[in-house]
Amino acid sequence: DAGVIQSPRHEVTEMGQEVTLRCKPISGHNSLFWYRQTMMRGLELLIYFNNNVPIDDSGMPEDRFSAKMPNASFSTLKIQPSEPRDSAVYFCASSNSGMGGPQHFGDGTRLSIL
Amino acid sequence: AQSVTQLDSQVPVFEEAPVELRCNYSSSVSVYLFWYVQYPNQGLQLLLKYLSGSTLVKGINGFEAEFNKSQTSFHLRKPSVHISDTAEYFCAVSGDDRGSTLGRLYFGRGTQLTVWP
Repeated sequence: DAGVIQSPRHEVTEMGQEVTLRCKPISGHNSLFWYRQTMMRGLELLIYFNNNVPIDDSGMPEDRFSAKMPNASFSTLKIQPSEPRDSAVYFCASSNSGMGGPQHFGDGTRLSIL
Repeated sequence: AQSVTQLDSQVPVFEEAPVELRCNYSSSVSVYLFWYVQYPNQGLQLLLKYLSGSTLVKGINGFEAEFNKSQTSFHLRKPSVHISDTAEYFCAVSGDDRGSTLGRLYFGRGTQLTVWP
């Protein structure tokens, strides 16, 4: 079975540019999570969806960040405009909602903003 | 909200030695507990989980963890480590809050296990 698929794996761009990260969750999973990982702050939950509806976006750092889930098989995380401090590894994870269901993680997108 | 404390940020050990990675959580209600492993340049992989039943849970790669409700702990152990076990290990918990019912997990800060030859 295919796992969570993220693209691109690496992204290098200049400050001020728009960045779009993509995620395809595991088929049949109805919860999707976006995380950011840095050395300084560790693993942070940015936003999560259930049945394509955003449930909690309190972890989104600024209005420059936005996330969408137009259907059950696709989600995007957008940063506009990007800043050097946004450099991090961004992970997407999915699960079957309900207590006890483990999250399955993608391999992440390593984002570098110059 | 739940909180998870991983008491050691780094644990260095020699190959074939036993290891214990500590995890404590704060909750007065029933919880589900997880350990994840992250190898360099990869995402987090599920190592093991406790949902109910026996308090000793066995996972992949020879790891096991013991759920101790009175001490609110879920420590991870391996009797003999390999160099290939070098990775970051994350403890996570879900409780009875709304987020948890929708699959949200609360993660600790992680413990870097380094195995030396």
